[in-house]
Amino acid sequence: GAVVSQHPSRVICKSGTSVKIECRSLDFQATTMFWYRQFPKQSLMLMATSNEGSKATYEQGVEKDKFLINHASLTLSTLTVTSAHPEDSSFYICSAALSGRSYEQYFGPGTRLTVT
Amino acid sequence: DQQVKQNSPSLSVQEGRISILNCDYTNSMFDYFLWYKKYPAEGPTFLISISSIKDKNEDGRFTVFLNKSAKHLSLHIVPSQPGDSAVYFCAASDQGGSEKLVFGKGTKLTVNP
Repeated sequence: GAVVSQHPSRVICKSGTSVKIECRSLDFQATTMFWYRQFPKQSLMLMATSNEGSKATYEQGVEKDKFLINHASLTLSTLTVTSAHPEDSSFYICSAALSGRSYEQYFGPGTRLTVT
Repeated sequence: DQQVKQNSPSLSVQEGRISILNCDYTNSMFDYFLWYKKYPAEGPTFLISISSIKDKNEDGRFTVFLNKSAKHLSLHIVPSQPGDSAVYFCAASDQGGSEKLVFGKGTKLTVNP
């Protein structure tokens, strides 16, 4: 099956610093990648949709200047949390989809971000 | 406003019995539904899906039923095994529209040996 990796799996950073999370599709080319955030005992909330070679589309309420997304190739998307604050602490999950099949998403293992 | 609802936060079942997880949706434009299984600190893994043109889809021990008129779907696991213990998320998509997945809050299933 399609495999998606995320790096790092866990990161602790100080308030005010920036953190980059990578999402890679290992055995397929992903035209579209998605970034989700999950709070404890809550649903996965879509943050943004990233298409290779174009600007990401952010969901309402998500600050695009704070959560920078770059989808430089068909196998790599990055999420950078800029000037992180403790309230940004969360579980971030990416997913990747084949061209024309955005409803079939393959998820990465997630990244636990803790901002101190 | 939650478009996909999983009203039971948890479910406990005895090994070998049937597990039934329920999901309701409000958006009539949704036409593709998926169930994902998720372990703590891991990403969701795809289990089974169903298109709105069907009312049942079966894959081994997993069966998903869709009742479009009631805007309700359910996942049946039979027989349930301790390894099935996880959080199960229902997700819905509008294939003709944005194709984004909208998730429910999940149901934590515990299968007791």
